[in-house]
Amino acid sequence: GNSVTQMEGPVTLSEEAFLTINCTYTATGYPSLFWYVQYPGEGLQLLLKATKADDKGSNKGFEATYRKETTSFHLEKGSVQVSDSAVYFCALSSQGAQKLVFGQGTRLTINP
Amino acid sequence: GAGVSQSPSNKVTEKGKDVELRCDPISGHTALYWYRQSLGQGLEFLIYFQGNSAPDKSGLPSDRFSAERTGGSVSTLTIQRTQQEDSAVYLCASSTSGANVLTFGAGSRLTVL
Repeated sequence: GNSVTQMEGPVTLSEEAFLTINCTYTATGYPSLFWYVQYPGEGLQLLLKATKADDKGSNKGFEATYRKETTSFHLEKGSVQVSDSAVYFCALSSQGAQKLVFGQGTRLTINP
Repeated sequence: GAGVSQSPSNKVTEKGKDVELRCDPISGHTALYWYRQSLGQGLEFLIYFQGNSAPDKSGLPSDRFSAERTGGSVSTLTIQRTQQEDSAVYLCASSTSGANVLTFGAGSRLTVL
């Protein structure tokens, strides 16, 4: 079946550090890939997405590239801020499917 | 409405009691989803409604769980004879169609004592 595996957290970084959160997936066909973010006290919201191989999704300084050869969709940001502290979820939607499959989430804390 | 609204935001109940959780999706969104977020776990799919089609109930963990969606809008998730392992945050989401961009509510935190 379809599944998503994220790097285990929690991740703690200092402000302005480089961030990578790894995400790999297992799916049939050509899924769409997503990163959702959950800020403290708020609902999940879409951060970025990519719908085909080699696409790069980007938003708020975050980027992720759809790598079919490595079945990965790693999230990166060059210089994190305290306001980026949140839980990040990688997810996929396979072709013809009507629901998202989520990873277990990675809690990120940025210290000033 | 402007966003997905869920109620109650917090619910504490005793083991064995029934609970109802409500979701009011974004107006015009035909797809509605329920997920469960347990401590230290990812988001677990529970059920999916799309228009007038039969719901996808494949994620419901037991027959104590049920959900309905009235008039293609508001949805209620019912948990009968609650158990301590049902303690979690129950998230509702809606979308225009299919599993592309979901808009989530803030969730209903259920604690079963």
